[in-house]
Amino acid sequence: DARVTQTPRDKVTEMGQEVTMRCQPILGHNTVFWYRQTMMQGLELLAYFRNRAPLDDSGMPKDRFSAEMPDATLATLKIQPSEPRDSAVYFCASTGFEGEAFFGQGTRLTVV
Amino acid sequence: AQSVSQHNHHVILSEAASLELGCNYSYGGTVNLFWYVQYPGQHLQLLLKYFSGDPLVKGIKGFEAEFIKSKFSFNLRKPSVQWSDTAEYFCAVNGEGGSGGYNKLIFGAGTRLAVHP
Repeated sequence: DARVTQTPRDKVTEMGQEVTMRCQPILGHNTVFWYRQTMMQGLELLAYFRNRAPLDDSGMPKDRFSAEMPDATLATLKIQPSEPRDSAVYFCASTGFEGEAFFGQGTRLTVV
Repeated sequence: AQSVSQHNHHVILSEAASLELGCNYSYGGTVNLFWYVQYPGQHLQLLLKYFSGDPLVKGIKGFEAEFIKSKFSFNLRKPSVQWSDTAEYFCAVNGEGGSGGYNKLIFGAGTRLAVHP
């Protein structure tokens, strides 16, 4: 059963610390999305990649967030330094050519 | 630019009532349309999708949606809801972009459905 895998599932960190979230997309999917979900803002698109190339990261705060795809099996989202307002659930999703997205279980980030 | 609007933010129904959740999108070209469901504490799961063909699509758990191109709408329906349908529902769209691929997948704000026994 193909699935998107995200690690860690939960992360609690202190303000100012670096946080790295990882995503393994479904094998063969060429597009990877990073979303952030909060009660106030709902589901926000942070960045997405196609064939490992970044296509749009306009949803990310550039000064502290960065997203990369070092290879086809790994996408990373990094926050440095983290702030309490970054507390949210971060979802990764991958899609094939037609665009049906499969979501990972999410990383619940709490910055204290 | 693509956008998605969901009209109802919160819906409360009794079991066996009928459900219709509105979704309108904005995009000038060919689109793929989706409805996702998120049960409490879980990730988003696909309910149904429209790519082309019959505008009335059927998904899992008795849900269906109708694509009306002239109205840019893709409303979700279920004839008789159950308590287990309590969840948040998201409409999503991605538009056909260049080089034969599709653009970013954009979600609506979501509709929280509460079904009372």
